[in-house]
Amino acid sequence: GAVVSQHPSWVICKSGTSVKIECRSLDFQATTMFWYRQFPKQSLMLMATSNEGSKATYEQGVEKDKFLINHASLTLSTLTVTSAHPEDSSFYICSAADRGNSPLHFGNGTRLTVT
Amino acid sequence: GENVEQHPSTLSVQEGDSAVIKCTYSDSASNYFPWYKQELGKRPQLIIDIRSNVGEKKDQRIAVTLNKTAKHFSLHITETQPEDSAVYFCAADYGQNFVFGPGTRLSVLP
Repeated sequence: GAVVSQHPSWVICKSGTSVKIECRSLDFQATTMFWYRQFPKQSLMLMATSNEGSKATYEQGVEKDKFLINHASLTLSTLTVTSAHPEDSSFYICSAADRGNSPLHFGNGTRLTVT
Repeated sequence: GENVEQHPSTLSVQEGDSAVIKCTYSDSASNYFPWYKQELGKRPQLIIDIRSNVGEKKDQRIAVTLNKTAKHFSLHITETQPEDSAVYFCAADYGQNFVFGPGTRLSVLP
């Protein structure tokens, strides 16, 4: 079945540094990938929709200059948290569907801790 | 835009009993409704889904029902087991994306 791989699974960084998270579709091409943020005991909050070869679409309230998304190929999207601060600490999950109107496949998630 | 409500937020049942989680959605154009199970610290896993041309779908102990007129869909788990304990999210498609419900924390007590 469709598999989405996400790395790293966890990362600890110092305040002010940047962190890159990768999301790969392993056995299908994903023209669209989604990035979510999840706070403890809360639902998945869509941050942005990543489109291959074009600019990402950000949800209201998400700073595009802080959360840089690059979708350079049909199998890879990256999320870079720039100048991270402790309030950016969260669980970040990517997802993709192998075709329209089909189930989302999620990556394992990345737990980011900013100290 | 699409809004998905989910109830209850927490649910405790005795092992062997049934559990029902209900969701409502707002966008009548939605026609695909997946359910995800998320264990602590892990990614959501698809457990069952239903499309709008079907009223009910069953997979072993799990079933989903859809009332498109009322914009309701529900997850039914029968003969619950401790390993069913997790957070369950319903979702509805909205354009090329999905909108998730707030989640239900299910606890199955042995």
